[in-house]
Amino acid sequence: GQNIDQPTEMTATEGAIVQINCTYQTSGFNGLFWYQQHAGEAPTFLSYNVLDGLEEKGRFSSFLSRSKGYSYLLLKELQMKDSASYLCAVRSGSGNTGKLIFGQGTTLQVKP
Amino acid sequence: GAVVSQHPSWVICKSGTSVKIECRSLDFQATTMFWYRQFPKQSLMLMATSNEGSKATYEQGVEKDKFLINHASLTLSTLTVTSAHPEDSSFYICSAEWQPNSPLHFGNGTRLTVT
Repeated sequence: GQNIDQPTEMTATEGAIVQINCTYQTSGFNGLFWYQQHAGEAPTFLSYNVLDGLEEKGRFSSFLSRSKGYSYLLLKELQMKDSASYLCAVRSGSGNTGKLIFGQGTTLQVKP
Repeated sequence: GAVVSQHPSWVICKSGTSVKIECRSLDFQATTMFWYRQFPKQSLMLMATSNEGSKATYEQGVEKDKFLINHASLTLSTLTVTSAHPEDSSFYICSAEWQPNSPLHFGNGTRLTVT
């Protein structure tokens, strides 16, 4: 079966660093994605990992360990606008165009 | 960059009527598009995979006769919610990848309210 787990809610302080974890068990693996979604809006792409290790993009970094079925999204220098839901998604299936399965999302609240 | 346009942004319809939602890839050709549904405070649930020129692949539990998908061209997929009921009220989002293994790009979503 497919199972993707993330914490439901997290709270952090403006200017701080927060790490959002994601564990997965899927029938196939062809990449792990992180998306940001503000309430009432569509998700926007943040980062993508297909090989083990850390990918850094400005204030956002994402890490993947395929052997552990584990990823995290690291947000640095938190800003109030970072308050949103963060979705971990795994591309499963065979070939290059496997479907993307989403976790339940982590709602992050950034406080002053 | 890759842009996916979805229309309408919101729609209110009466119970028993049908609603069509369009998803277009504006600057790339998408042989595959994905339709998701999201209920309040829940994550995105994949409904079906839309394949250009062939039948859509539906996820378990999604009624193919109720949610009709047509992917007649490389830039357009449509989702028709037939005989809508209040429990179909949700946020419907389409997505496409502009090339194999690239991240999915999402449309802005359609808020459907069935009264």
